[in-house]
Parts: sequence; structure tokens; C-alpha cells
Amino acid sequence: SQKIEQNSEALNIQEGKTATLTCNYTNYSPAYLQWYRQDPGRGPVFLLLIRENEKEKRKERLKVTFDTTLKQSLFHITASQPADSATYLCALDRGTGGFKTIFGAGTRLFVKA
Amino acid sequence: SQTIHQWPATLVQPVGSPLSLECTVEGTSNPNLYWYRQAAGRGLQLLFYSVGIGQISSEVPQNLSASRPQDRQFILSSKKLLLSDSGFYLCAWYPTNTDTQYFGPGTRLTVL
Repeated sequence: SQKIEQNSEALNIQEGKTATLTCNYTNYSPAYLQWYRQDPGRGPVFLLLIRENEKEKRKERLKVTFDTTLKQSLFHITASQPADSATYLCALDRGTGGFKTIFGAGTRLFVKA
Repeated sequence: SQTIHQWPATLVQPVGSPLSLECTVEGTSNPNLYWYRQAAGRGLQLLFYSVGIGQISSEVPQNLSASRPQDRQFILSSKKLLLSDSGFYLCAWYPTNTDTQYFGPGTRLTVL
């Protein structure tokens, strides 16, 4: 069955360091992968999308890599800040209008001042 | 600009009671609409999606149903709630010609 895994343990890092979150998947052929941020009690907010033919995508302090051979995506936040503390979700999509999007359970990030 | 609303924000209901959660989207027409449930420590589970008025597809057979009475309105219902229906319910929409879903603020449902 299709499976998407994110590190279930919370990630604790010091302010200013780079946070790296991992998303692994099996039995799925995504057209693209997305990362979302979710604050407690709120809906997820879209951050970045990377397509299957792209290796890396950047947006300000965020960087996403996508390795379809390893079936893995890495999400980096450089110069992390306490305001970056949240849960980060990865999602895989086949590009069929969201009908077959699958979401990971998310990784909780804590950035300490 | 487009916005998505959900209400109520929180709800506490007894087992066996009915449920109605509402989602509306502003600033767009004929959006694809979705209902997800998020349980603690679990990924978002797609419950229903709709590509138009009166068109509902169910991903998971369960105690819930959905309806789309108007173009920008999506309703999640149940006739009799179960304890297992507790969770965080999210409505989302998918703008055409994009690859991203936009989520509403969510409804926290607790069934006692």
C-alpha cells in the first residue's frame, strides 16, 4: 500500500541553525511533492512545491530537495527562528486535481531562542 | 482574493447526535472542494471531494456524508455521531490550473 513517512519525533534545534526534515515514501509515483506548515489548531498552509523532474527548489530561507530514486524529500529551513516552530507536513500528488493526494503525519519542529 | 471559511471552529457533541459542518469559499467559482479529517499523530485523511454542485465522491465509507448544495458551499454531515468521529476536520479547495490545495481554519470536533 502507499505509504508516506515523516519523522514522528519532534525536532529541537537552536535558533540560527538549519533545520532539516525528512519525508520518505513507498509504492507511489508522485508528479510532485508539497510541503505545508501547520500551527496548532489551524489548517495547513502551503509552503513549497517541487516536481518530479526538479532536484531542488528554494524560497527565501526554505529549500526542498526531491530524489525520486531514493523516494525521499528533504526540507531545510536555514537561519531558523522561534517563529518557525510548527508542524511541517509533506504531501504527494499525482497531479490529478488533488483526488489522490496523500499526506504525511508531519514533523513537529521546535526552535529555541 | 479567495478565502475559505469553516464553522463552527469547535464543537462538542454527544454520541448519537447529528452533525453539520459547513465550508464556504469566496472569490472563485466552480472550485474543487475537499473534506479531510486529521487525527492526532496521523496524516490528513481525505473523506469526500466534489467537482461541482451535487457531485460528491467518497474516499472512505463511514458514518459521514457530504453535500454540495451551492457552487461554493460544502457540507459535512452525520445522522448519528460515533466516538471515533472525533477529530480535526478540514475543508480545502483546489484552484483550477494550480497544483496546490488551500485549507480552511478547521473544525475541532469532540464526540463524548
